[in-house]
Amino acid sequence: AQKVTQAQTEISVVEKEDVTLDCVYETRDTTYYLFWYKQPPSGELVFLIRRNSFDEQNEISGRYSWNFQKSTSSFNFTITASQVVDSAVYFCALTQAGTALIFGKGTTLSVSS
Amino acid sequence: ETGVTQTPRHLVMGMTNKKSLKCEQHLGHNAMYWYKQSAKKPLELMFVYSLEERVENNSVPSRFSPECPNSSHLFLHLHTLQPEDSALYLCASSQENTGHNEQFFGPGTRLTVL
Repeated sequence: AQKVTQAQTEISVVEKEDVTLDCVYETRDTTYYLFWYKQPPSGELVFLIRRNSFDEQNEISGRYSWNFQKSTSSFNFTITASQVVDSAVYFCALTQAGTALIFGKGTTLSVSS
Repeated sequence: ETGVTQTPRHLVMGMTNKKSLKCEQHLGHNAMYWYKQSAKKPLELMFVYSLEERVENNSVPSRFSPECPNSSHLFLHLHTLQPEDSALYLCASSQENTGHNEQFFGPGTRLTVL
């Protein structure tokens, strides 16, 4: 069975702090894809990153970075020097072979100035 | 702009009303989805349409009735809803033959059932 666990329900930080959002997944397939989406207060889910199971290279995009470790079935997301505009709900998701996305419960990040 | 639009953005309806939610995608995708997002709950997949045929229906009550007249449009017809159906309803689309099934989401319709 597939499952995505985001153990952190809510995180509060002060601007300029670094913050890591955890994501742990379960799947029996060897081919799968992992995603992170951001949901700002407006409600729309915004795609951040996609990673396939054969590519364990970490990725950095500006202040965002992702750490994919198959050994621990984790796909963690770090925001460096957080800003108020980063306040949102962040979802980790999993899909395999083109099936529908399985989402975690989301982590609400609050960044205060 | 994500290329997926939803109307209306907000809807308040009584339990005896009939209303419809509309979703339109301008991305040339071949699959469309309805999700329900309730407070304090994970995103729940409701329906999946692939090439205009329904391929998944996750035990959704019959008071929710989807319709996909073509690959660009998706509707969710609502009738005799309950207050617990109040939620954010999100539409998404994807191109299924890519394997990774990256989905693009609309802004959602915030539904309140009185």
